[in-house]
Amino acid sequence: EPEVTQTPSHQVTQMGQEVILRCVPISNHLYFYWYRQILGQKVEFLVSFYNNEISEKSEIFDDQFSVERPDGSNFTLKIRSTKLEDSAMYFCASSGRLGSGANVLTFGAGSRLTVL
Amino acid sequence: KQEVTQIPAALSVPEGENLVLNCSFTDSAIYNLQWFRQDPGKGLTSLLLIQSSQREQTSGRLNASLDRSSGRSTLYIAASQPGDSATYLCALHWGTGRRALTFGSGTRLQVQP
Repeated sequence: EPEVTQTPSHQVTQMGQEVILRCVPISNHLYFYWYRQILGQKVEFLVSFYNNEISEKSEIFDDQFSVERPDGSNFTLKIRSTKLEDSAMYFCASSGRLGSGANVLTFGAGSRLTVL
Repeated sequence: KQEVTQIPAALSVPEGENLVLNCSFTDSAIYNLQWFRQDPGKGLTSLLLIQSSQREQTSGRLNASLDRSSGRSTLYIAASQPGDSATYLCALHWGTGRRALTFGSGTRLQVQP
C-alpha cells in the first residue's frame, strides 16, 4: 500500500538553528499538509499546499516556517530559527483529487523534533 | 470556532468487550468526519471517513456513526482485541473552503488480554 515517508524520524537541534523536515507524499496525490503534535496535546494543522502554493495556513505557521516542493516528489517544512516550543512531532500528510479521495488524508510516521 | 471533544480520555477493557468511543463537536457545519488510530510514536492511520450526508460507515469490527444535528459521532468497536490498544482520534473538515482537519484530543484505549 502506498505510504507517506518522512525523514528524519528524530532530530535534535539547538535553539536558533534552522531545521528542514522532509516528506515524500504518495505519488499521485495533489494536496500536501503539515501537522504537528506537541507531547500530550492535540494534533494541530500547520499548512496545506496545492498546485505549488500554500492554500491554507494556521496562525501557528508564522514567518519562521516555510514549505517547499522543490523537485516534484519531496515536500519540505523549514523552521528558520527554532525555539524551545517548536519541540513536537511533525506529521506530513497527502490526499488525492477533488471528491471523496481528497478528504482521506494519508499520514506519515512523523518526525520528532527536539529543540534544546 | 470549532471545538472537538472526545470522551473518555482513557479506557481500559478486557478482551472481547464491545465498546463505544465518543466525539462531539460544536459547529455542525462539517463536510466530513474521520476516525484515526495512533500507535505510540507512530503516525495516524485513517480508519473510517463519514461524509456529512452519511449516518454511518462500517469496516470490519468498526462502525462509526454521525449525527450532525446533535454534534456527535461514535466509534463502535466490536469484540475488542489487545491489538486494538491505541489512541483513537476523531477529526473533521469544516468551514467553507478550508482543508484543515480539526482534531480531538483522543481516547487512549487499552484492551487487556
